[in-house]
Amino acid sequence: DADVTQTPRNRITKTGKRIMLECSQTKGHDRMYWYRQDPGLGLRLIYYSFDVKDINKGEISDGYSVSRQAQAKFSLSLESAIPNQTALYFCATSDTQGALGETQYFGPGTRLLVL
Amino acid sequence: QKEVEQNSGPLSVPEGAIASLNCTYSDRGSQSFFWYRQYSGKSPELIMSIYSNGDKEDGRFTAQLNKASQYVSLLIRDSQPSDSATYLCAVNPSSTRAGGTSYGKLTFGQGTILTVHP
Repeated sequence: DADVTQTPRNRITKTGKRIMLECSQTKGHDRMYWYRQDPGLGLRLIYYSFDVKDINKGEISDGYSVSRQAQAKFSLSLESAIPNQTALYFCATSDTQGALGETQYFGPGTRLLVL
Repeated sequence: QKEVEQNSGPLSVPEGAIASLNCTYSDRGSQSFFWYRQYSGKSPELIMSIYSNGDKEDGRFTAQLNKASQYVSLLIRDSQPSDSATYLCAVNPSSTRAGGTSYGKLTFGQGTILTVHP
């Protein structure tokens, strides 16, 4: 079974709808991240969480919110979806490795289309 | 200036050649550098990490880091069609919490599409 799972894998929604993307991990990592990927723009960080009580905005958090329900679960919500939120969304996890930085492990992605 | 910038692609090389992928970064205090490979429609997967100046080799892959020039590169020797993918450079910024623990955040470049043709 995959260590980092995302549901749904594909989603089509309409402008103004609220939707939630879910991420679960069995790696036992404390740190979790949500990214979006758009063609030619690489991965951009939306939100990150270093533990259940520590949630931080990334570079493009406007229009998004998150919930860290448990160490293993980190959900991303679009409060009122708009077409420019159409993108590929990735969840990632990492484990504390001190000052050398950390390897991030990615889920399979959720492809979201907002009409 | 973008925080992490990769050489513009797409890059096309013949099978068996050396593919050279380049990345520059703006945060001089950055300590950790990563190369991820992403096949079309798939998630990024880590192929190399490097922390010290110089070269780090792993099979056909060599990562090179020059902190003075704020430059990191990835060389793929004996390129194969299966190496065709988007390669993402990622940098761990210098910001740290008390105690020296890394924030863990990564800043990604925009990616370079590599095509290896038979």
